[in-house]
Amino acid sequence: SQTIHQWPATLVQPVGSPLSLECTVEGTSNPNLYWYRQAAGRGLQLLFYSVGIGQISSEVPQNLSASRPQDRQFILSSKKLLLSDSGFYLCAWTDGQGVANYGYTFGSGTRLTVV
Amino acid sequence: GENVEQHPSTLSVQEGDSAVIKCTYSDSASNYFPWYKQELGKRPQLIIDIRSNVGEKKDQRIAVTLNKTAKHFSLHITETQPEDSAVYFCAASPTGRRALTFGSGTRLQVQP
Repeated sequence: SQTIHQWPATLVQPVGSPLSLECTVEGTSNPNLYWYRQAAGRGLQLLFYSVGIGQISSEVPQNLSASRPQDRQFILSSKKLLLSDSGFYLCAWTDGQGVANYGYTFGSGTRLTVV
Repeated sequence: GENVEQHPSTLSVQEGDSAVIKCTYSDSASNYFPWYKQELGKRPQLIIDIRSNVGEKKDQRIAVTLNKTAKHFSLHITETQPEDSAVYFCAASPTGRRALTFGSGTRLQVQP
C-alpha cells in the first residue's frame, strides 16, 4: 500500500533562516506531488506541484522554492524565512497519471512558526 | 482558471440534525469534485467524491449531489454526531488541470 511521509512535524525558525521540508511517498511510482500551505484558520493554498522528476510548477510567487530530485521525493525550501511564512505545510500526492481526477492523500503536515 | 466558492463559512447544528454545505464552481469543464474533512491540527482526509457523470453519491450518513447545469455541488450529512465537528473543504478539478482548486472551508460544529 502507498504511504506518504512528511517531516519534521513541528519547526520553530528565526526570521531570515533557511528552510527545508521533505516529503516522500512509498508504494507507487511517478506520483503527482503537491505542497500546500494553510495559514491559521484559513484554507488550502497551493504552492507548488510536480508531475515528474525535475518538473516544478509554481502557483504563487514568493520566497519559497521546491525541488523533486527523485521520483518519490519532494522538497520545499527557502533561503530566508519571513514572518508571513508561518503556517501548516502539507505535502500531498495523487496517482492520476498526470491528471488531478483522483483524491489527494495528504501527509501529516509540518507546523512552521517563524519568530 | 477555476474558482470555487463555499458556503457557509461556519455552521452550528444540534446532534442528530442534518448539515448541508454548498459549493459553486466556475469552470464548466470541471469533472471531479472531492470533499475533505480536517479535524483540528490534523491533515485533510478525503471523505467522499463525485464525478461529473453522476448526479448523487451516498456513503452511509454522507451524500454529495452535483448539478452540472447550475455548476454547484453540495455535501449532506445526516444524523450528525459530535465527531462530525471539523472543517470541511470542497474542491474541483477541470479536465487537464493537474491540481485541485479548493473552497475556503466550512467549520461545522455539532452541539451535543
